[in-house]
Amino acid sequence: DVKVTQSSRYLVKRTGEKVFLECVQDMDHENMFWYRQDPGLGLRLIYFSYDVKMKEKGDIPEGYSVSREKKERFSLILESASTNQTSMYLCASSLYGNGYSGANVLTFGAGSRLTVL
Amino acid sequence: KNEVEQSPQNLTAQEGEFITINCSYSVGISALHWLQQHPGGGIVSLFMLSSGKKKHGRLIATINIQEKHSSLHITASHPRDSAVYICAVTFLRARGGGGADGLTFGKGTHLIIQP
Repeated sequence: DVKVTQSSRYLVKRTGEKVFLECVQDMDHENMFWYRQDPGLGLRLIYFSYDVKMKEKGDIPEGYSVSREKKERFSLILESASTNQTSMYLCASSLYGNGYSGANVLTFGAGSRLTVL
Repeated sequence: KNEVEQSPQNLTAQEGEFITINCSYSVGISALHWLQQHPGGGIVSLFMLSSGKKKHGRLIATINIQEKHSSLHITASHPRDSAVYICAVTFLRARGGGGADGLTFGKGTHLIIQP
């Protein structure tokens, strides 16, 4: 019954490495999101996408990029990982495409814990 | 600035106790979500509500729009209820500052139920 799948639960990378975090959803959702979660800061939105090849910056996009070539897949890319990107990364999806409706229920993946040394 | 405040930040209780977690927000909203995150990271959506009260099993969520306040209650708590509970809201006309779908998250309440 898995609906939002994140490719890696735990990753350890070195400073300067390129990191790919993959997220796949099987619910035909239009919206997909990448959040990071840090102690004391809660969930913060990095990037989101309303449709294939569309992306918009969230609250903290610096140091990240994203790719959405297919509807079901949304990738988060760290071009050159830094230690301050050590965090739990959560992918989510929701059905409706227009955003800001207030009515969308988010379905989250299990999370990817990234450590950058 | 639109804000979401949760209390308490941490709560430890004995099995069987009635649990209340509170969420307050600063301005008008169109919807409020309660989310549950178990150790290991996975987040599950528990409730989405814009008025009144919803119940699912031992979980009850209420919202008072006038007072800008919501509560999540757990009756007959059990160790498997141990998790982080997160409140998130969609502020009215929330574009900018709250991310996609205008969601702004509280910092979460870490609940431990001891046997």
